Amino acid sequence: GENVEQHPSTLSVQEGDSAVIKCTYSDSASNYFPWYKQELGKGPQLIIDIRSNVGEKKDQRIAVTLNKTAKHFSLHITETQPEDSAVYFCAASRGAQKLVFGQGTRLTINP
Amino acid sequence: GAGVSQSPSNKVTEKGKDVELRCDPISGHTALYWYRQSLGQGLEFLIYFQGNSAPDKSGLPSDRFSAERTGGSVSTLTIQRTQQEDSAVYLCASSVISGKLFFGSGTQLSVL
Repeated sequence: GENVEQHPSTLSVQEGDSAVIKCTYSDSASNYFPWYKQELGKGPQLIIDIRSNVGEKKDQRIAVTLNKTAKHFSLHITETQPEDSAVYFCAASRGAQKLVFGQGTRLTINP
Repeated sequence: GAGVSQSPSNKVTEKGKDVELRCDPISGHTALYWYRQSLGQGLEFLIYFQGNSAPDKSGLPSDRFSAERTGGSVSTLTIQRTQQEDSAVYLCASSVISGKLFFGSGTQLSVL
């Protein structure tokens, strides 16, 4: 089955700097790669997703890149703000198969 | 409501008791997931329902755990003879097929 590895487990950046979180997946047939943000005491919320027919997707300060050959995808947050502090999860799935999550990255934005 | 609803939000129980956790998915969503999140940890997959297909139970940690989904909508996760290691947040999510997961706020289970 699918296995998703996520790095780093913790990340601390200065406000205004960029943050990058990386994930690798094992199943070459996976075709859907979402990213979720989880704030304290809440369930994860989708922030951006990408399908395997594109290599990059942007939404304001957030972007995701996908390298199908290397089987890895990354989340990029630019101009970080204090409200970006949260735990971020990547995930991967194939078709209607279950979504498999990475272990999460705790991002802290320092003022 | 517009989102995934889970109840109760908090549950304290004694070791050895059975508990039932409820999830009301978004109307029309065919897929329903249960995940477990221990303190400061990632999302551990438990079970996945997709339409009328047989559920994927590969993540259930022991035969004390079971789940059902009635009428393709509401789901109940049952934990029998609870143990202290069962203490965690249990998250439910729903989606349309191959679509975005929408999570509930979870049930915080504490086993004393």
